[in-house]
Amino acid sequence: DAGVIQSPRHEVTEMGQEVTLRCKPISGHNSLFWYRQTMMRGLELLIYFNNNVPIDDSGMPEDRFSAKMPNASFSTLKIQPSEPRDSAVYFCASSLQGAIAEAFFGQGTRLTVV
Amino acid sequence: SQQGEEDPQALSIQEGENATMNCSYKTSINNLQWYRQNSGRGLVHLILIRSNEREKHSGRLRVTLDTSKKSSSLLITASRAADTASYFCATDGDYKLTFGKGTLLTVNP
Repeated sequence: DAGVIQSPRHEVTEMGQEVTLRCKPISGHNSLFWYRQTMMRGLELLIYFNNNVPIDDSGMPEDRFSAKMPNASFSTLKIQPSEPRDSAVYFCASSLQGAIAEAFFGQGTRLTVV
Repeated sequence: SQQGEEDPQALSIQEGENATMNCSYKTSINNLQWYRQNSGRGLVHLILIRSNEREKHSGRLRVTLDTSKKSSSLLITASRAADTASYFCATDGDYKLTFGKGTLLTVNP
């Protein structure tokens, strides 16, 4: 397996634009996590899915953020409209069994909003 | 909110020395995990210790867990320059995998 695949690797966008980040989890994994990493706040859990269903989205900062998982092999994180404070590295991770199992991380998407 | 908190925030040692990092957490857990992150890369799983285990070894890594104190430690023995990275503990309290802010380890050749 190629591991967790995220795209794009880098994204530079202007404030107010819509941004969509994509993630393909490892085949057979039933849990998917979205994280945001900044120097100030560290690694924050935004949302996680179990069997394609959002289980906890309490970490989503505000209504501008939304995440979907239409099937077991694909998830998106959308920011609309984007703001400079959204600049961060966004990671997707998947696991076989939620939070109690080893999580496999993608390489991340570095988002810069100017 | 951060479930685990690592200590120290940064650690600088010479090659061949041992490095010890600590993690404290707040709620009850099933397992505690340690991860490593090289600059600009994703996190990589190192080791998982279950709540009913007190110590676990993997190569040059030794992890301890004290559930009564809600703390864990990661020991890297005979460190190498290639061990330079950030190290994070992760807990599964409330069934969410949450991370501390990490310890930045620098191993000088």
